[in-house]
Amino acid sequence: NAGVTQTPKFRVLKTGQSMTLLCAQDMNHEYMYWYRQDPGMGLRLIHYSVGEGTTAKGEVPDGYNVSRLKKQNFLLGLESAAPSQTSVYFCASNARPALWGTEAFFGQGTRLTVV
Amino acid sequence: GQQVMQIPQYQHVQEGEDFTTYCNSSTTLSNIQWYKQRPGGHPVFLIQLVKSGEVKKQKRLTFQFGEAKKNSSLHITATQTTDVGTYFCASSTWAGTALIFGKGTTLSVSS
Repeated sequence: NAGVTQTPKFRVLKTGQSMTLLCAQDMNHEYMYWYRQDPGMGLRLIHYSVGEGTTAKGEVPDGYNVSRLKKQNFLLGLESAAPSQTSVYFCASNARPALWGTEAFFGQGTRLTVV
Repeated sequence: GQQVMQIPQYQHVQEGEDFTTYCNSSTTLSNIQWYKQRPGGHPVFLIQLVKSGEVKKQKRLTFQFGEAKKNSSLHITATQTTDVGTYFCASSTWAGTALIFGKGTTLSVSS
């Protein structure tokens, strides 16, 4: 029972480089989210998706792009990494919209350092 | 946008003492969820509250949802070292489709 799997787990980037973080879930969930976690800032929503082929901006979307070409995968892209994007990134998925109050399942996180 | 404010940011207790974290919103919440994140780990769902004035218990943990559905609390009785971690409250926003988290309360326990 994999649940939500994030790859990679760790990455060091140089300023200006690009990369893609992959999130895969095997629970057939419609809703998927990307959060970043920084000390003292909690979990901030970057982008989310309410179903295959859809994406929407969250609280802190600038500098990131996302795609949901397949229901089980949600990709987070950094086109030109900046030191301010050094963070721990979490992907989460949910069977129903948050308004209906169902448990969100989180991946193990990706620790990204931009130097 | 909608925000949930959480206090305190940090709390240190001696093992056996009680601990409480509070979550407040300026707007009425449809529901509130609580998550725990162990050091180095990922957030894990603890519970959800939906009804006004609702109280739920999980062993030493007591969760409350305010009568006006604008605040919530998590109380831990007789803390143990296994309670160490960051506790987050979360609620729906963005037209009800996404979860927004408070900044969390980090609990440390010394034995």
